[in-house]
Formats: sequence, C-alpha cells, structure tokens
Amino acid sequence: NAGVTQTPKFRILKIGQSMTLQCTQDMNHNYMYWYRQDPGMGLKLIYYSVGAGITDKGEVPNGYNVSRSTTEDFPLRLELAAPSQTSVYFCASNPRGGLAKNIQYFGAGTRLSVL
Amino acid sequence: AQKVTQAQTEISVVEKEDVTLDCVYETRDTTYYLFWYKQPPSGELVFLIRRNSFDEQNEISGRYSWNFQKSTSSFNFTITASQVVDSAVYFCALRQMETSGSRLTFGEGTQLTVNP
Repeated sequence: NAGVTQTPKFRILKIGQSMTLQCTQDMNHNYMYWYRQDPGMGLKLIYYSVGAGITDKGEVPNGYNVSRSTTEDFPLRLELAAPSQTSVYFCASNPRGGLAKNIQYFGAGTRLSVL
Repeated sequence: AQKVTQAQTEISVVEKEDVTLDCVYETRDTTYYLFWYKQPPSGELVFLIRRNSFDEQNEISGRYSWNFQKSTSSFNFTITASQVVDSAVYFCALRQMETSGSRLTFGEGTQLTVNP
C-alpha cells in the first residue's frame, strides 16, 4: 500500500546548491504533479505531467525542472537553490480514467529549507 | 481564470459544536469538479470528497456534510459534533474541465482547531 512516496522528508540546502526531490507512485497513474505549500498558504502547482515523456509548467515553475521518463517516477530538480524556495513540496498523482478520475493522491511531503 | 476563496483563515470551536467551513469558487466553465482535502498536523493531504458541477445534491458521510449551491458558487463543508481529531487545515479545490491533466486550484485553507 505504498501509494505516492516522496524522499527525502526533510532537507536543508545552502544558497546555490542543487538537489532533486524524488517522487514515485505504484498505482500506475498517468497524471503526476508537484506543488509547493508556503507557510499558511494553499498549494501552488509547479509542474505536472500527463504521461511518460510529457511535462508542462504550472503556476510557479521558475527555478525548477522536472522529467518523466517512466510512469512511476516524477523527480523535481532545484538548480541554484534560493531562500524563496524554502517550502513544503508535495507530489501527487491521479488516474486518467475510472472511478477515481480527478482525485489526486498526495505524498507525505518534503520540507525544504534554503539558508 | 479560476479561483477558490476560503475566507475563514482560522476557526476555533469547542468539542461537540457544529462548524461550517466556507468555500466560494469562480470559474467560466460549465463543467467542473470541486474537492475538499484535510491536512492534519502530521502534514499529509487526505481526500475527503469530490463533487461534479452537475450534481447539486447535498452529501452526508457520518459527521461530515457538504452543501453545493451552484447559484452562489459555494461548496460548504459542515462538521457536526466536532471532535479534537477534526483539528486540521481544510482545503477546498477546483478542477476546471478545460484544463489539461486534472490540475487543481486550491484555496488558501481554513485552520480548524477543536478544543476539548
């Protein structure tokens, strides 16, 4: 019953460092998403993917990159980390069809601090 | 453009009180989905309900009920006889059908605190 798995759970970065947040799902979902949640705020969409090899920008893509080489994995890359990227990052997925269509299932989140 | 507004930033109640969380949305689309998610202190987001724009029937699930009114673009959530375990941030979200990939627009959330 893994669902959506995110690693790491916590990370502290120095300004200018790079890192990759990992996300994998075992539900064979076509659609995957990355959101960020700033303190006291709702979720903002960073990038999303409708299938392997296809990615697209969300509301706040600047400073991030993604790839989707397999159905299961959707890593988020931060290049030159900045303090403004301090946030909690959530990965989510949902199937394209069926009864659970449009219901996004979320990972536990990655809490990132850039100092 | 689509938008979700949760005007109540924080609500505090005493256990066993009823509480209603408001959600107002804006969309140009005639077909859309609305959602509620719960984020307990542990941080994960838990799906509560999905409602499509053609189904205006209210729904009840145990102590939870949802009131969808298209005329006022609202999708309010009521918890009856609240319990301490209901303490969480609750998010309302909108999926507009014209957008690709089932993307959701979230409100900013309502922090509910239920005191014993």
